[in-house]
Amino acid sequence: GQQLNQSPQSMFIQEGEDVSMNCTSSSIFNTWLWYKQDPGEGPVLLIALYKAGELTSNGRLTAQFGITRKDSFLNISASIPSDVGIYFCAGQWDFNKFYFGSGTKLNVKP
Amino acid sequence: NAGVTQTPKFQVLKTGQSMTLQCAQDMNHEYMSWYRQDPGMGLRLIHYSVGAGITDQGEVPNGYNVSRSTTEDFPLRLLSAAPSQTSVYFCASSSETGRAEAFFGQGTRLTVV
Repeated sequence: GQQLNQSPQSMFIQEGEDVSMNCTSSSIFNTWLWYKQDPGEGPVLLIALYKAGELTSNGRLTAQFGITRKDSFLNISASIPSDVGIYFCAGQWDFNKFYFGSGTKLNVKP
Repeated sequence: NAGVTQTPKFQVLKTGQSMTLQCAQDMNHEYMSWYRQDPGMGLRLIHYSVGAGITDQGEVPNGYNVSRSTTEDFPLRLLSAAPSQTSVYFCASSSETGRAEAFFGQGTRLTVV
């Protein structure tokens, strides 16, 4: 199956700091997606990327679709306590089949 | 807006028992899929469906059956539960229009003892 490497596994940051996480794949994807999961909930879509090189923002979140189509990053600026959660990248290549990274657990200290 | 609804939220089974996890969506999405999430791992695709009457296997299909008789519903069946199937199960749906954005239910936490 597809292999997605997501890093870092976890982060402990101070409120107000910027955050960066990324995903790399051994295979090309047509779409990259970034999700956030709160405890006891399903993943919620944050940003979707459809073209190589695409840079998309959603409030304090910015994500990019790598030129090689094998990687993507997510940046969060000026973190706040409600940013706490697990962030997942996902790649899609066929028939809406998604492959997920193992997640980045974000902890924000007030 | 209901979105994707999964039932039950929690379930404990004994080894060898069978059960069906229910999933329903009200967004008229053609694509539906089931994932399992284990500690420290991302979501892994079990089965998926591209429309009513059509299903296919994902990464980890063994021990699970699915059917898709309507657009709205996509149940996941465990015929003989095993402790290795202890996990959190998520159902997702997405549109057929090309924008590959999956919407997830709240999950079913299953424990097999």
